[in-house]
Amino acid sequence: AQKITQTQPGMFVQEKEAVTLDCTYDTSDPSYGLFWYKQPSSGEMIFLIYQGSYDQQNATEGRYSLNFQKARKSANLVISASQLGDSAMYFCAMREGGGGSNYKLTFGKGTLLTVNP
Amino acid sequence: SQTIHQWPATLVQPVGSPLSLECTVEGTSNPNLYWYRQAAGRGLQLLFYSVGIGQISSEVPQNLSASRPQDRQFILSSKKLLLSDSGFYLCAWTKTGRGNTIYFGEGSWLTVV
Repeated sequence: AQKITQTQPGMFVQEKEAVTLDCTYDTSDPSYGLFWYKQPSSGEMIFLIYQGSYDQQNATEGRYSLNFQKARKSANLVISASQLGDSAMYFCAMREGGGGSNYKLTFGKGTLLTVNP
Repeated sequence: SQTIHQWPATLVQPVGSPLSLECTVEGTSNPNLYWYRQAAGRGLQLLFYSVGIGQISSEVPQNLSASRPQDRQFILSSKKLLLSDSGFYLCAWTKTGRGNTIYFGEGSWLTVV
């Protein structure tokens, strides 16, 4: 079974509007971390936001916020006031385990976001 | 501040030729290091990770290998490339400890012809 599921292969949004990118995850580990990365056409993976499983509040970073619903095992990324430069592939990823030295990330297949002017 | 660099950025190699991709991290010590591969239109697949010099763990059996000769240097190699080795290779690092973010290098595009 997939550990990270991104059900939206592609999304379109108008400039200045908000958009939500979906991510659901599957783990039996009580300690885990959820990440969102942006990958523009250049290929570089850019870290956007992180949510720990024990964090009480939803993470926010500027125009990015993470809608963390632990019981539903979802970690949706919300981008407010979309900009043309937000057009890129977006990946949700999970790290299982909270300690030790093993920090493997499992990635979803990504969502291609296109921002229209 | 910490930075990560990998090279070369792009390379085209014939089938059966060797491969060497190099990655270095600056501004930190004893990082965890990773090699990921991204096939066209797909997510990232973890290939190797290392928690220290000379310590390499392999996630996927293949004709690739990795080495960590120095604390902040991670090398991905192959003795004989296959067509299926084509893809986008990303080096990444994280600090040891709980909840640390994994940061990626610029990536290397490999085309095996």
